[in-house]
Amino acid sequence: AQSVTQLGSHVSVSEGALVLLRCNYSSSVPPYLFWYVQYPNQGLQLLLKYTTGATLVKGINGFEAEFKKSETSFHLTKPSAHMSDAAEYFCAVSDLETSGSRLTFGEGTQLTVNP
Amino acid sequence: DAGVTQSPTHLIKTRGQHVTLRCSPISGHKSVSWYQQVLGQGPQFIFQYYEKEERGRGNFPDRFSARQFPNYSSELNVNALLLGDSALYLCASSGGFTYNEQFFGPGTRLTVL
Repeated sequence: AQSVTQLGSHVSVSEGALVLLRCNYSSSVPPYLFWYVQYPNQGLQLLLKYTTGATLVKGINGFEAEFKKSETSFHLTKPSAHMSDAAEYFCAVSDLETSGSRLTFGEGTQLTVNP
Repeated sequence: DAGVTQSPTHLIKTRGQHVTLRCSPISGHKSVSWYQQVLGQGPQFIFQYYEKEERGRGNFPDRFSARQFPNYSSELNVNALLLGDSALYLCASSGGFTYNEQFFGPGTRLTVL
């Protein structure tokens, strides 16, 4: 069975500061890992994904994440936060070979950006 | 091209009633998945359909059912509604069963009174 743990249900940063959102996963097979963003009253938008290959993945809006197999982590970072980054962020895992593209999500991290 | 569309946007039901939610995938996508997102939590997988067949089911009671039509649109049905069914229901489409990217619709907000 797969699971995702997001450390910190709420993260608050100042505008221009580093954003770090933590995600740890468990999976019995090589995982496919995703970060999604959700703005109020909207669906989920894909920020970035790791499937195979390079472990440092770049996504939209300046976000990036690094897959660390030894730490079973896939933390999301952005060097400089913008006010528009305030939203809920979800880490997710899937194992395509056994379960298709179904996603297992973490509980989410609410990011607040202070002026 | 249009993204994933869902209808209705919002609806209010009372306990014991039945509800049908609808989803149209991105043109050319053959797989549709349904997720339930309770307020303050991450989405939970309910069903995945591919080529009109159920290919996966999450840990939900039999009150939840779904189907996919020849045009790949999908319906999610929930019978005997409970207060705990109040949630945002998200539909996601992907090109195939094992495609590694899902595209989400805006969701249907269901309130059960």
